[in-house]
Amino acid sequence: ETGVTQSPTHLIKTRGQQVTLRCSSQSGHNTVSWYQQALGQGPQFIFQYYREEENGRGNFPPRFSGLQFPNYSSELNVNALELDDSALYLCASSLAASYSTDTQYFGPGTRLTVL
Amino acid sequence: RKEVEQDPGPFNVPEGATVAFNCTYSNSASQSFFWYRQDCRKEPKLLMSVYSSGNEDGRFTAQLNRASQYISLLIRDSKLSDSATYLCVVKSTGGFKTIFGAGTRLFVKA
Repeated sequence: ETGVTQSPTHLIKTRGQQVTLRCSSQSGHNTVSWYQQALGQGPQFIFQYYREEENGRGNFPPRFSGLQFPNYSSELNVNALELDDSALYLCASSLAASYSTDTQYFGPGTRLTVL
Repeated sequence: RKEVEQDPGPFNVPEGATVAFNCTYSNSASQSFFWYRQDCRKEPKLLMSVYSSGNEDGRFTAQLNRASQYISLLIRDSKLSDSATYLCVVKSTGGFKTIFGAGTRLFVKA
């Protein structure tokens, strides 16, 4: 077990709705990254938060937004859901954003289905 | 061109076989390299980091060729439990952007 938890496990939404996914980092980790993994694909980097600030972003539109809290837990918010947003959403925590060798530990993911 | 490309697979091998996975990356400034393993409907888990000098962990050997921008993973004496998807991962300078390949599926059969 990595110590990274995510909620909910599964979620079904309809197109146009908004969703919030949650992640609790491993104890002592100050960095969290979010990924989207479509079926049959590798995880795609959405963004990373380091000490409550966005530290980098992948090629995702602004309707994907996030927060990191003082206890380093995190949220991913997606507005105006589209059918293509259906995927497994993974969060990963690590100790320090600036160390490229730092290992990321993944949570079990939230499986989002948009109808 | 994708930033990280892997063999499309799937690979179907018998127990005991040796199997090699290849991965290429496009950003020459990439700093860190990893192989992750992902079981069906589970989260990715770190298998091993990849260093220029090459590194070995039991039956697994990883190699990095910076000049060719190429990473490999060799699995010797395959076990049924090795069946999974293997993801090649590249991190940029500063470490904030992590790029995963699409993965290569391995089936090991008795």
